[in-house]
Amino acid sequence: KQEVTQIPAALSVPEGENLVLNCSFTDSAIYNLQWFRQDPGKGLTSLLLIQSSQREQTSGRLNASLDKSSGRSTLYIAASQPGDSATYLCAATHGSSNTGKLIFGQGTTLQVKP
Amino acid sequence: GAGVSQTPSNKVTEKGKYVELRCDPISGHTALYWYRQSLGQGPEFLIYFQGTGAADDSGLPNDRFFAVRPEGSVSTLKIQRTERGDSAVYLCASSLRYSGANVLTFGAGSRLTVL
Repeated sequence: KQEVTQIPAALSVPEGENLVLNCSFTDSAIYNLQWFRQDPGKGLTSLLLIQSSQREQTSGRLNASLDKSSGRSTLYIAASQPGDSATYLCAATHGSSNTGKLIFGQGTTLQVKP
Repeated sequence: GAGVSQTPSNKVTEKGKYVELRCDPISGHTALYWYRQSLGQGPEFLIYFQGTGAADDSGLPNDRFFAVRPEGSVSTLKIQRTERGDSAVYLCASSLRYSGANVLTFGAGSRLTVL
């Protein structure tokens, strides 16, 4: 059974810092892993999707890595800004086929202080 | 439409009542998903549809929960005899196709409060 854990649950940093959010999963037989952003009272916005055959994906100031052998993914945010404040969720597929069924972590709530 | 639309955005009901939550996916998206998110938790999978059929309903917690998608577009999540533990945000998502690089687009959710 796939379980996804995110540590820490909350993080507060000053503006301009680089930071890393961590995600671990128990079953390495995944199809892909995704990172989402959720603002208060809003739905989820997909940030990055890493296929199981890939090691990382980049979009702007965001870089996500995937290490299936250790069951870990990280989301790196460069030069953080107050607008980055939100909850970040990682989600792994349930199994190695693309069923669209995602198992989510509990999220890391990030606050970037001006 | 431009995004996934969910109605109502907020629903307050009394224990034991019946509720329906509606999801209007992005036009042309064949796959549709329902998730439930409790306070402070990540979303939990409930059910997904490929076209009109429920391809996987393994996440529905019990037989009080039921979802339909009769024409392969709009979906309705139905909850009978609501309980206080059903209080959560119900999220709907859709994707262009069931297989491949499956990027889900989520709606803003329907917040259900059972008193």
